[in-house]
Formats: sequence, C-alpha cells, structure tokens
Amino acid sequence: QSALTQPASVSGSPGQSITISCTGTSSDVGSYNLVSWYQQHPGKVPKLIIYEGSKRPSGVSNRFSGSKSGNTASLTISGLQAEDEADYYCCSYAGTTTFWVFGGGTKLTVL
Amino acid sequence: QVQLQQSGPGLVKPSQTLSLTCAISGDSVSSNSAAWNWIRQSPSRGLEWLGRTYYRSKWYSNYAVSVKSRISVNPDTSKNQFSLQLNSVTPEDTAVYYCARAGGGTMVTMFDYWGQGTLVTVSS
Repeated sequence: QSALTQPASVSGSPGQSITISCTGTSSDVGSYNLVSWYQQHPGKVPKLIIYEGSKRPSGVSNRFSGSKSGNTASLTISGLQAEDEADYYCCSYAGTTTFWVFGGGTKLTVL
Repeated sequence: QVQLQQSGPGLVKPSQTLSLTCAISGDSVSSNSAAWNWIRQSPSRGLEWLGRTYYRSKWYSNYAVSVKSRISVNPDTSKNQFSLQLNSVTPEDTAVYYCARAGGGTMVTMFDYWGQGTLVTVSS
C-alpha cells in the first residue's frame, strides 16, 4: 500500500481539464512544499512534470499545473490531448526518517 | 544533459545479492547539488524509493526503512557512478529498478533524471 493516496483512474475527453488528487499526511505533503509529479507512458521511464508543488521543468507544457491545500496536492491537466494518456504519480518528501514517498499512481484515459 | 546508464543482471536467485550500477554522464557523483537514488517499481508495491548517496563535504547515504537492514548504496568516484546492493533477496524484491538523480540544489527537491530501468527477477 502506497503512502500517498491517488485515485486509481480518471478520464476526460480531448480539450477538457482533469484533476488528479494526491492525499498524504501532516508528515509529508502537509509539512513540505516538495511534492513532485511524474508522467509514465507504458513501458517507459517516469518523467518529471511538476516539482516543488507547482513548478514546471523546462520543456513541460503549461497545460500541466500543480497545487496544494493542506495534506492534499493536485495535478491539473488542461486541454487534454491523446498523448496525455498515461499513468501519473505524485511524490513527496517525508522527513529524515522516511525521506521520499510515492502515490499509487493514477491511470488517465483520454476518451 | 545528464544521462544515467544502468547495468547489472536481470535474474537473481533467492537469498543472494542484487547488484546494479548506474553510470553518470553530464554530472558528477560528487556534485554538491545532487543526490543519487535507487527507486523500484512493481505492480504490488508501486514506486518505492530505496536509498541514496550524496556528497556535501563528506559522503552520506540514506535508506528506506523497509530495506535498511539489507541495502547499500555507494559512490564510485573513479568511474563517476554509483551502485546498489540489496542482500538476501526474495521474490518480493522482483521489480523494475531505476537509478535517478535528485536535483534542485543543495536541498534536492525532485527526481529529474532517470536511468532506463532494469527488470530484476528473483527466482531460482
């Protein structure tokens, strides 16, 4: 069982927006602004798309955005495209005993 | 551009030691603004951070509680690489293993570069 809780699946039509939640605790998501999000296509390596809660690495589309409220972080993808269909994972720093925890992943289906 | 190239066997027998190496190009294992990590992924456990090594005037290593008694992550400055050793493996250790750089400065904040992944199967 993963430390961070994500919905198993979400779906949306092209052009729509979707949001994926990532719920942790006051020991991880709630205590640090160090949530990152990763996109993983089948058989591929995870790719960083959001870091420090809401920052985008160079080259990542501005259709991807991140936010946090309390113990829950969120990833929003606007203007859904077929290429966005993938698994998405959140990750948070969790202090000097646990270090890093991941969510169980969310499968995004573009209808 | 940072690149990480993994190497090591894909099949390990139960009770033996899993050993993987991650060669770094485009950065240094001795960097003061990065940490070098091992992460694994399996259908049953999802993504799981295992451990890291990093240099901040001296070498440090940190490990996940779940594997702390069995794991070692070590730098090799002569070859600019780092390694994973996981002892006493069981079939539950079957997973895709990734090496990854944690970047973002002295206080690393995300996993920005990943190796290609190595499927390691624990079976006799």
